[in-house]
Amino acid sequence: EAGVTQFPSHSVIEKGQTVTLRCDPISGHDNLYWYRRVMGKEIKFLLHFVKESKQDESGMPNNRFLAERTGGTYSTLKVQPAELEDSGVYFCASSAARGRADTQYFGPGTRLTVL
Amino acid sequence: AQSVTQPDIHITVSEGASLELRCNYSYGATPYLFWYVQSPGQGLQLLLKYFSGDTLVQGIKGFEAEFKRSQSSFNLRKPSVHWSDAAEYFCAVGATSGSARQLTFGSGTQLTVLP
Repeated sequence: EAGVTQFPSHSVIEKGQTVTLRCDPISGHDNLYWYRRVMGKEIKFLLHFVKESKQDESGMPNNRFLAERTGGTYSTLKVQPAELEDSGVYFCASSAARGRADTQYFGPGTRLTVL
Repeated sequence: AQSVTQPDIHITVSEGASLELRCNYSYGATPYLFWYVQSPGQGLQLLLKYFSGDTLVQGIKGFEAEFKRSQSSFNLRKPSVHWSDAAEYFCAVGATSGSARQLTFGSGTQLTVLP
């Protein structure tokens, strides 16, 4: 069974540009989460999808971030326009169950550098 | 709000020595507790989790963790460290009530293993 995949693995862009990160969850997983880790600090929650619906987007830092999950499969996270403080590693995770006691499986992350 | 503290940013041990990584949490009740590991270039891999029951939890790769309610701790242990255990370790908590499903992470502990 394939795990959670993320693309690209690395992205280097200039301030003001747009970047789109993609996450493919484990097949059949309804729950999809985005997290990010900035400057070696804690991994912080961004948002949670259940199928194609945003269940919780309380962690999204501002309106420069837009997440979508078309058809309840893969998800994209767009940053437009990117700022220096957006640099970090963006992780995606997925889980199968609807209950809270489920395991989240993480992808390898996308390292974003904004110059 | 829940929080997680990993007081040790970096730990160095010799191969074959025992290991204990500390984790303290703040939460109004007993949370769900997790330990993840991230090796270089890899995603976060679940080592073990505690939901309820026996407070001593066995995980993969010979790791175990003990939940101590009185100390709000969930320390990770391994009796004999291998060079391949060098990685970054994250403790995380999940809420057991309310609508949130996301994990709250500690800042991580980087483990170096000396030959």
